[in-house]
Amino acid sequence: GENVEQHPSTLSVQEGDSAVIKCTYSDSASNYFPWYKQELGKGPQLIIDIRSNVGEKKDQRIAVTLNKTAKHFSLHITETQPEDSAVYFCAARQTGANNLFFGTGTRLTVIP
Amino acid sequence: GAVVSQHPSRVICKSGTSVKIECRSLDFQATTMFWYRQFPKKSLMLMATSNEGSKATYEQGVEKDKFLINHASLTLSTLTVTSAHPEDSSFYICSARVSYGTDTQYFGPGTRLTVL
Repeated sequence: GENVEQHPSTLSVQEGDSAVIKCTYSDSASNYFPWYKQELGKGPQLIIDIRSNVGEKKDQRIAVTLNKTAKHFSLHITETQPEDSAVYFCAARQTGANNLFFGTGTRLTVIP
Repeated sequence: GAVVSQHPSRVICKSGTSVKIECRSLDFQATTMFWYRQFPKKSLMLMATSNEGSKATYEQGVEKDKFLINHASLTLSTLTVTSAHPEDSSFYICSARVSYGTDTQYFGPGTRLTVL
């Protein structure tokens, strides 16, 4: 089955700096890669996703890059703000499959 | 955007009682719904997958007689924790997939279950 690894487990940045979270996956058949943000006591919120026919996708301050050959994808948050503080999860799935395999999460703290 | 709701958000019950958690997709039809369990500071653990009108598929190690899942319609799934015990205390999160042929999966806000 798929194995998704996520690094770092914790990340602290100064407000205004950029944050990068990296994930690797093992199953070359995976072709859908979403990122979720989870605030304390709440459910995960989809913030961006990318499919394998695309190498990069951007939405305002958030971007995701995908390297299919190396089987890794990354989340980039620019101009970080205190409200970006949360736990971020990457995930991977094959199109049409049910299982969404999650990384172990990254606790991001943005220091004002 | 797609919204998934869960009810209740918090529940406290006595050991031995049963608790039902509802999950609804508010503005879309969900052919597939998922139930996850999350321990403190851990990732999400998939418990079961259900398609509307079909029996749920449980992950290995999840007791289907203890965690009853009913996916009665394209907008409603329920998880019933039967004869709850303190070790069942956890954060339960449902999720819904928009439709066949798409990948997007949205999560509910979660239900904090505490069994005394």
